[in-house]
Amino acid sequence: QQPVQSPQAVILREGEDAVINCSSSKALYSVHWYRQKHGEAPVFLMILLKGGEQKGHDKISASFNEKKQQSSLYLTASQLSYSGTYFCGTEGTGNQFYFGTGTSLTVIP
Amino acid sequence: EPEVTQTPSHQVTQMGQEVILRCVPISNHLYFYWYRQILGQKVEFLVSFYNNEISEKSEIFDDQFSVERPDGSNFTLKIRSTKLEDSAMYFCASRTQGAGEQFFGPGTRLTVL
Repeated sequence: QQPVQSPQAVILREGEDAVINCSSSKALYSVHWYRQKHGEAPVFLMILLKGGEQKGHDKISASFNEKKQQSSLYLTASQLSYSGTYFCGTEGTGNQFYFGTGTSLTVIP
Repeated sequence: EPEVTQTPSHQVTQMGQEVILRCVPISNHLYFYWYRQILGQKVEFLVSFYNNEISEKSEIFDDQFSVERPDGSNFTLKIRSTKLEDSAMYFCASRTQGAGEQFFGPGTRLTVL
């Protein structure tokens, strides 16, 4: 039930780009993306609903391919503040919600 | 800005003791959730709650766990007889509708000795 993310960890220099992938073995109705800094609660980034939509928020954007049951998060021109662990989250037909395995992103100067 | 609050921020207990973790969701939200995160690991769904009853629960949420909304504001998670492996950060979250952003509280760190 838990979505699988790749890569598990990535290290970037400021200004570089990254892609984080999320895939599920079950049908997806929506995909959420959250970022969690060490010792803090997850913070919502965006939600994508089925229909193959894409969304963007500043230099962070995401896509959702419901047929492939996959979503990708794109971080462009990364900043130091982007460091953290990124989780996708998926929900099925009921009111359950499952976070992905997580991707640790470290941005260095 | 409204926020989800949780108390206590840190709870230390002896194995076998009961603990109650408290959450105050955002006032106009209807859906409530509990998650746990063992240190350094993923965030795990425990249970969702809507209309004064559990709507979904995971396999982790066994008979040792219960949730309650004792009044119009609080949402509690009770662990009846704590085990060492219950040590984790517990997050409460709420949202206004069935699909949409979840707002997380700051978490309660539970340490079972």
